[in-house]
Amino acid sequence: DAGVIQSPRHEVTEMGQEVTLRCKPISGHNSLFWYRQTMMRGLELLIYFNNNVPIDDSGMPEDRFSAKMPNASFSTLKIQPSEPRDSAVYFCASRQGSSNQPQHFGDGTRLSIL
Amino acid sequence: RKEVEQDPGPFNVPEGATVAFNCTYSNSASQSFFWYRQDCRKEPKLLMSVYSSGNEDGRFTAQLNRASQYISLLIRDSKLSDSATYLCVSNPEKLTFGTGTRLTIIP
Repeated sequence: DAGVIQSPRHEVTEMGQEVTLRCKPISGHNSLFWYRQTMMRGLELLIYFNNNVPIDDSGMPEDRFSAKMPNASFSTLKIQPSEPRDSAVYFCASRQGSSNQPQHFGDGTRLSIL
Repeated sequence: RKEVEQDPGPFNVPEGATVAFNCTYSNSASQSFFWYRQDCRKEPKLLMSVYSSGNEDGRFTAQLNRASQYISLLIRDSKLSDSATYLCVSNPEKLTFGTGTRLTIIP
């Protein structure tokens, strides 16, 4: 079975540019999570969706960040405009069922904002 | 106080030794607990769930202490390949990760 698929794997762009990260969850999983990981702050939950509906976006750092899940098989995380402090690894994870089930992570997108 | 706290380490342990680390959580309503393993520059991967009665998977044993609100991971007969960062997870709904404990197994 295919796991969580993220794209791109790496992104290098100049500050001020729009960045769009993409995620395809595991088929049949009904929850999707976006995380950001840095050395300083560890793994931070940005937002999560349940059945395509955003449930908790309290982790989204500011209005420059937005996330959508138009259908059960696709989600995007957008940063506009991007800043150097947004540089991090962004992980998408999905989960089937309730919170007693584990999350499964994609390979991540390594984002560098110059 | 952070919802989940771990000793960041690093733990440097000789090959073959037993190593254990704990993770404390603040939300007493938490029902789900997991240990994840993350290798350098890779994604976190599920190592094992943590059940109320404790559970074992080969060389790995996970335990839950609800009274003191911590979970533990014990690794016996450690291997070089066990070197990684170990993340504990708790939270009733959105799974809150600890910052991870870095383990290095020394030949």
